[in-house]
Amino acid sequence: AQSVAQPEDQVNVAEGNPLTVKCTYSVSGNPYLFWYVQYPNRGLQFLLKYITGDNLVKGSYGFEAEFNKSQTSFHLKKPSALVSDSALYFCAVSSKAGGATNKLIFGTGTLLAVQP
Amino acid sequence: DTGVSQNPRHKITKRGQNVTFRCDPISEHNRLYWYRQTLGQGPEFLTYFQNEAQLEKSRLLSDRFSAERPKGSFSTLEIQRTEQGDSAMYLCASEPGLLYNEQFFGPGTRLTVL
Repeated sequence: AQSVAQPEDQVNVAEGNPLTVKCTYSVSGNPYLFWYVQYPNRGLQFLLKYITGDNLVKGSYGFEAEFNKSQTSFHLKKPSALVSDSALYFCAVSSKAGGATNKLIFGTGTLLAVQP
Repeated sequence: DTGVSQNPRHKITKRGQNVTFRCDPISEHNRLYWYRQTLGQGPEFLTYFQNEAQLEKSRLLSDRFSAERPKGSFSTLEIQRTEQGDSAMYLCASEPGLLYNEQFFGPGTRLTVL
């Protein structure tokens, strides 16, 4: 069965410092990986995805993620954190590719707190 | 606003009552999903529609839950005889009918069952 793990409930970083939010996955077959961000009282917003190709994926708001097949990881990164990046971040894997249902399996989320 | 909309945003009900939520997807998206999110957890898949056809239901979706998407447009999720354990955020997402596209989420409906 597919699963996603986000080992850190919370990540604290100072503004201007680089940030990393960790994600590991377990799937049978090729993984299709996503990062979403959730601000209070708002829905999930798409940040980026990995389907195939370059292992480094660039997304919205300066975020990027590195796909590592051997470590089954898809960590989210940003070179310089902003206070406004403080939010709840979810990693997700698609259960199936090829035109059928694309239901997402989410991790438990990581709260990113950026201190000024 | 051309995003996914959900109504109501909040619903408080007493145990045993029925509730219905509505989701209006992005108009050109033929795929629609419902998820449930409880405090401290990631969203969990409930059900999926392609156009008007409900193609998959999670085991989480008990007999008290029913979802429809008439004419492949908006969708409704009904919970009958609500229980306190149904208290959660119910999220709707839509997706274009293309491979590997991301899902666009609505703001959710927060249900509180007293």
